[in-house]
Amino acid sequence: AQSVTQLDSHVSVSEGTPVLLRCNYSSSYSPSLFWYVQHPNKGLQLLLKYTSAATLVKGINGFEAEFKKSETSFHLTKPSAHMSDAAEYFCVVSSDGSSNTGKLIFGQGTTLQVKP
Amino acid sequence: DTGVSQDPRHKITKRGQNVTFRCDPISEHNRLYWYRQTLGQGPEFLTYFQNEAQLEKSRLLSDRFSAERPKGSFSTLEIQRTEQGDSAMYLCASSLEVGQFGFGPGTRLTVT
Repeated sequence: AQSVTQLDSHVSVSEGTPVLLRCNYSSSYSPSLFWYVQHPNKGLQLLLKYTSAATLVKGINGFEAEFKKSETSFHLTKPSAHMSDAAEYFCVVSSDGSSNTGKLIFGQGTTLQVKP
Repeated sequence: DTGVSQDPRHKITKRGQNVTFRCDPISEHNRLYWYRQTLGQGPEFLTYFQNEAQLEKSRLLSDRFSAERPKGSFSTLEIQRTEQGDSAMYLCASSLEVGQFGFGPGTRLTVT
């Protein structure tokens, strides 16, 4: 069965400093992995996705994530945080094994706080 | 841009009442999903439709919950005899293929 674990429930950074949000996954299959962002009172927005192509995935708003199979990790990074990055971030794995429903399995979320 | 829409956006109901939510997916998307998100948690899968067929239901979906997608377009999620524990954000998502999801803004349910 697929699952994801977000290692930090809350991350606080200063504006202009790097962001690292950590995620480990468990999957019986070659996983599809995603990062979604949720701003207060707004819908979920896809930041980036990994689907077995390049292991370094570039997303929107300067975010990147690297798929490391040996470490079963898919950490999200950004070189320089902006105030507008403050939000809830979800690491997600797609259940696209034999059932092929494609349903998404979400982590518990990491709240990113950006201090001025 | 016609994304996924949900109605209503907010619903306050008394315990024991029935409520129904509607989701209109992106028009060409044949897959439709319902999720539930409680405060401080990630969304949890409830059910999945491919066209009009409901192909998977989570154990979270008790017998008080029923979902339909009668013509393979919009979907409804009904909760009967609501309980305070049903208070949550109910999210709808649609996709044409695995991995290409659009999420709706959600319906926030408060059961008093």
